[in-house]
Amino acid sequence: NAGVTQTPKFRILKIGQSMTLQCAQDMNHNYMYWYRQDPGMGLKLIYYSVGAGITDKGEVPNGYNVSRSTTEDFPLRLELAAPSQTSVYFCASSYGTGQGGAKNIQYFGAGTRLSVL
Amino acid sequence: GESVGLHLPTLSVQEGDNSIINCAYSNSASDYFIWYKQESGKGPQFIIDIRSNMDKRQGQRVTVLLNKTVKHLSLQIAATQPGDSAVYFCAEKTSGTYKYIFGTGTRLKVLA
Repeated sequence: NAGVTQTPKFRILKIGQSMTLQCAQDMNHNYMYWYRQDPGMGLKLIYYSVGAGITDKGEVPNGYNVSRSTTEDFPLRLELAAPSQTSVYFCASSYGTGQGGAKNIQYFGAGTRLSVL
Repeated sequence: GESVGLHLPTLSVQEGDNSIINCAYSNSASDYFIWYKQESGKGPQFIIDIRSNMDKRQGQRVTVLLNKTVKHLSLQIAATQPGDSAVYFCAEKTSGTYKYIFGTGTRLKVLA
């Protein structure tokens, strides 16, 4: 019963480096999300996906890219890491019917703590 | 995760008392709301939800109240226990989408 699995748990990057945060879910959920959580703030939506091959921007997409080639995986790519990207990143998934009006509980991974120095 | 929530509003409650955590939401067209609990170093965990066509929903030891007139959501925890110590977030879902807006969060401290 893995749920949503994120790797790595911790990472330190130098300014300008790139990396991919991995996220996988085994619940056959069609919707997946990436959030960042800064100290004293709520979660901010970076990108989301309503199904394989479909992604869309959230509130704070700049500096990030995503892809969704399979239902299970939704990696988040940082191309040129900046100190402003120091944060805790959470991936989530949910089941949606596409109507936008149904109950829709999001299940979260344990997070990736990223520091950019 | 330990650095998250350093500047959050904090509610301190004696063990065994009831807790009430409040949340003001922003969009009058939001149609679904969730309360999440986040323990240190972990991801948010679902507690209870409510649709916009309801004003109250009860779970095990928890109750969510929704007041659409003033765009206010509250989470009531009965007989608060040490294990309830965490940061609590409300989230509102934009009608017609599956996008959520999360509140800043409230830290609940349970005093023995």
